Amino acid sequence: GENVEQHPSTLSVQEGDSAVIKCTYSDSASNYFPWYKQELGKRPQLIIDIRSNVGEKKDQRIAVTLNKTAKHFSLHITETQPEDSAVYFCAASRSYGGSQGNLIFGKGTKLSVKP
Amino acid sequence: GAVVSQHPSWVICKSGTSVKIECRSLDFQATTMFWYRQFPKQSLMLMATSNEGSKATYEQGVEKDKFLINHASLTLSTLTVTSAHPEDSSFYICSAARLAGGAPYEQYFGPGTRLTVT
Repeated sequence: GENVEQHPSTLSVQEGDSAVIKCTYSDSASNYFPWYKQELGKRPQLIIDIRSNVGEKKDQRIAVTLNKTAKHFSLHITETQPEDSAVYFCAASRSYGGSQGNLIFGKGTKLSVKP
Repeated sequence: GAVVSQHPSWVICKSGTSVKIECRSLDFQATTMFWYRQFPKQSLMLMATSNEGSKATYEQGVEKDKFLINHASLTLSTLTVTSAHPEDSSFYICSAARLAGGAPYEQYFGPGTRLTVT
């Protein structure tokens, strides 16, 4: 089955710097890669996702890149702000046709943005 | 759009009792809902996949007789923790899958239920 590895487990940056979180997956058939942000005691929030037919996607300060050949995808946050501090989870799933694939999550990255 | 509610937000129960948790998609129909368990400072662990009108699919190691799942409608799934024990104390989160212009499906999470078994 699918296995998702996420690095680093913790990341501390200064406000205004960029943060990069990387994930690798094992199932070459996976075709959907969402990123979730979870603040303490709250629900995971979908912040950006990418599908396997796209190599890069950007939404304001957040971008995700996908390398299907190497089976890895990354989250990039630019101009970080203290409110970006949270735990970020990557996930992968294999969804096609009428099937609704299960999300397999990475272990999470705790991002701390210091003012 | 894509709002998922969960009730209750927290519950304390005595060992041996059963607890029911509801998950609702408020503004869209979800043919599939997922139930996760999350321990402190850990990732989300998928427990089961719930499809409307059919039996849930449980992940390996999850006892289906202990964690009863019912998906009676396109907007409601319930998880019942039967004969709860202290080791069942955890944060339980549901998600509802929404078709996004074709496969693959996006998942939106409920706010979670903090279960404490004494």
